[in-house]
Amino acid sequence: DVKVTQSSRYLVKRTGEKVFLECVQDMDHENMFWYRQDPGLGLRLIYFSYDVKMKEKGDIPEGYSVSREKKERFSLILESASTNQTSMYLCASSLSGATYGYTFGSGTRLTVV
Amino acid sequence: QQQVKQSPQSLIVQKGGISIINCAYENTAFDYFPWYQQFPGKGPALLIAIRPDVSEKKEGRFTISFNKSAKQFSLHIMDSQPGDSATYFCAASRGSSNTGKLIFGQGTTLQVKP
Repeated sequence: DVKVTQSSRYLVKRTGEKVFLECVQDMDHENMFWYRQDPGLGLRLIYFSYDVKMKEKGDIPEGYSVSREKKERFSLILESASTNQTSMYLCASSLSGATYGYTFGSGTRLTVV
Repeated sequence: QQQVKQSPQSLIVQKGGISIINCAYENTAFDYFPWYQQFPGKGPALLIAIRPDVSEKKEGRFTISFNKSAKQFSLHIMDSQPGDSATYFCAASRGSSNTGKLIFGQGTTLQVKP
């Protein structure tokens, strides 16, 4: 069964900490995405990558960075966590081209205290 | 900013009824419109998608209706079942783009009462 695996289901971090969210896909997909999900706001794109070491900013990149050193792994980094980054973070992957559906991971619920 | 606006935010339907969720978009370059279904504790999963060269697409009890001139599309769930209770997201993208970046709506939480 094809999968997108996010390393943590729940995470609690302190304000100012550097936080790493890891995502691994086993489908040889070119594209990988990080979204955050907040009630009433839907899914908002933070960053995406369409190839190894390639990345582009999404709609809300401030306070975040990403790393894609290998095709199967896409990491989201919160350089200095803040309480307004408390959210559900979803990783997704897809084949190249928009008409292929995304495969999402189950999400990481991050709480910053 | 490119936007997709979704309504209603929440919906309660009786078992056997029709659930209708609406979305509107602004960017006329969008040419791929999927719907995703998310159950609690899970990531969203692709449910059904449509391209603007057709006005309707049906898969089982799920139908997308598309109105290109109004820049609107909607999801109809016929004979709604309690198992359909989930959060639904519409989305849009430029299908010709190889990056496949989807813009999502705000989401609709559907509850189907037995």
